[in-house]
Formats: sequence, structure tokens, C-alpha cells
Amino acid sequence: AQSVSQHNHHVILSEAASLELGCNYSYGGTVNLFWYVQYPGQHLQLLLKYFSGDPLVKGIKGFEAEFIKSKFSFNLRKPSVQWSDTAEYFCAVNNAGNMLTFGGGTRLMVKP
Amino acid sequence: NAGVTQTPKFQVLKTGQSMTLQCAQDMNHEYMSWYRQDPGMGLRLIHYSVGAGITDQGEVPNGYNVSRSTTEDFPLRLLSAAPSQTSVYFCASSYSLRTLAFFGQGTRLTVV
Repeated sequence: AQSVSQHNHHVILSEAASLELGCNYSYGGTVNLFWYVQYPGQHLQLLLKYFSGDPLVKGIKGFEAEFIKSKFSFNLRKPSVQWSDTAEYFCAVNNAGNMLTFGGGTRLMVKP
Repeated sequence: NAGVTQTPKFQVLKTGQSMTLQCAQDMNHEYMSWYRQDPGMGLRLIHYSVGAGITDQGEVPNGYNVSRSTTEDFPLRLLSAAPSQTSVYFCASSYSLRTLAFFGQGTRLTVV
């Protein structure tokens, strides 16, 4: 069974700091990779996704993620965070025939 | 507005009570799923459906039933509520496994 690990459970940053959230998955075959964001009190929204092609994926709100197949990783990055990026971030993976498997989430707090 | 609609938004149950969480989508999506979200554990798949009349178990199906009599609706039934089922429940739908999953607003369930 596939699994997804997000090693940072809580991250606190000051505005303008750079962000990198780790995501590793266990499945060895072809995978589709996603990052979702959940703002306080809201439902999940897709930040970005990777299916194939360029391993550097750009999403909404200045976020990007890099797929490194050899490391089974799909880390999320943003060069300069804003207070409005305070949210919980979830990495998710699926492979052919399977529904999404989510990581445990990372709570990001950005201090103004 | 197109999307995934969940009802109710909040619910308190007594141990042993039964109830149904409703989920409806108007995007003609084949794939629908139910997740529960618990702190530090991300979202875990309860049940899913790949089309009307077809359902299957996810990672944590015990204590829950589903049915899919129409493409639009995918209700989740709690047969005999237990405090361990206190959680936030999200319904999601997608056209296929390789496309964006749309999430509902969530149902916050407390079992006392």
C-alpha cells in the first residue's frame, strides 16, 4: 500500500521567509502527486499537481513543487511567505486505480 | 454554484445513535469518496465509489456504510456512532483519478 510522509508537523515562519515543506511517498511505480491547502475553517483546495513532464511544477499563489523520482519526494516551496499563507498543507499521492492517499499535514503559521 | 455540497455542517450525536452524512455533486463526476480528517493524521479514506452502483472500502471503513444509487449522491452512514468517530468528514468528487478532486466544506461530527 502506498503511504505519504510529511515530516514537518508544525512550521512557524516570519513574513518574507522562504518555505520548504517536505513530502515523501512510498509507492515505486508511476504516481500522480498533489499539494492541497486548507485555510482555517475552509475545505481543501488544490495548490498544484504533477502527472508527468517537467518535474518542477508551478501552482497558485506563488507556490511550486519539485518531483524528484530518485528520492520519492515532492517538496513544496515558496520563496517569500505572507501572513495569508497561514494554513495546513497536505501532500497527496495516487497511482493508477487508487484513490488519493494523504500525508499527515503540516501546519504553517506565518508571523506578521 | 457547481461543486460538492455536504450536509450538515455540524452534528452532535450520542453514542449508539445512527445518522447519514449527505454528499451531492452536480459536476457529473464518476469518482466520489469520503475522508475523515483527524489531527496529525491527514485525511484517511473511508469509502469510495467509481460510479453509480459501485463502492469499495478505503483505509478506515469500519463503522461506516455507503451506497451510490445515483451519480450525484454518495451518502455516508454511521450505523452506531462511537466517540472514536468524532472527526471532520470530507466528501470529494472527481471526473477521474487523474483530475482535480473537488472537496466539500466538511461536516464536523462530535460523538459524546
